[in-house]
Amino acid sequence: AQKITQTQPGMFVQEKEAVTLDCTYDTSDPSYGLFWYKQPSSGEMIFLIYQGSYDQQNATEGRYSLNFQKARKSANLVISASQLGDSAMYFCAMRSGGSYIPTFGRGTSLIVHP
Amino acid sequence: ETGVTQSPTHLIKTRGQQVTLRCSSQSGHNTVSWYQQALGQGPQFIFQYYREEENGRGNFPPRFSGLQFPNYSSELNVNALELDDSALYLCASSLLGGEGYEQYFGPGTRLTVT
Repeated sequence: AQKITQTQPGMFVQEKEAVTLDCTYDTSDPSYGLFWYKQPSSGEMIFLIYQGSYDQQNATEGRYSLNFQKARKSANLVISASQLGDSAMYFCAMRSGGSYIPTFGRGTSLIVHP
Repeated sequence: ETGVTQSPTHLIKTRGQQVTLRCSSQSGHNTVSWYQQALGQGPQFIFQYYREEENGRGNFPPRFSGLQFPNYSSELNVNALELDDSALYLCASSLLGGEGYEQYFGPGTRLTVT
């Protein structure tokens, strides 16, 4: 069984500062993938970044980076230079083994203050 | 490239009724997954369709059923609606067997059962 835990229900950050959203995971399968999605109030889930369990380097996509610590089973999302438009729900998700079906965490609400 | 679309955007039904939600997948994608997202929760996987066949199912009762058509669009049918079925229903398309791992989500259908 796979499990995703997001312990921060809400986070606040000042515009232009960096913020880290926590995600821990659990799986017995050595092959897995980790995802982060953004969900604005409109409801659509927007794919942000992907990290494979065998990837040697941390994934980066523009202002988003994934701090992957395999031994700790954590996959934190780092958003640099926060913008007002970053205010949204953020979900961590994982799929493991041969399954293409991800399990989602409960999400973290991020509010960016001007 | 056409993104994932869903219809309708909002729907109100009464308990015991039946509902059909529709999803058009992104161009070039062959797989559609459906999720239920209750208020304040992460998306919960309902089922996935690949080449018109069910390719995985989450912990949902048989009154949740689906179809995928030759053009890879899909329907989610829910019979005998219950109050707890009130949620945002998300459709996601992906390319099973392709290089991309991420799923692309539609804007969702918000279902309210009274």
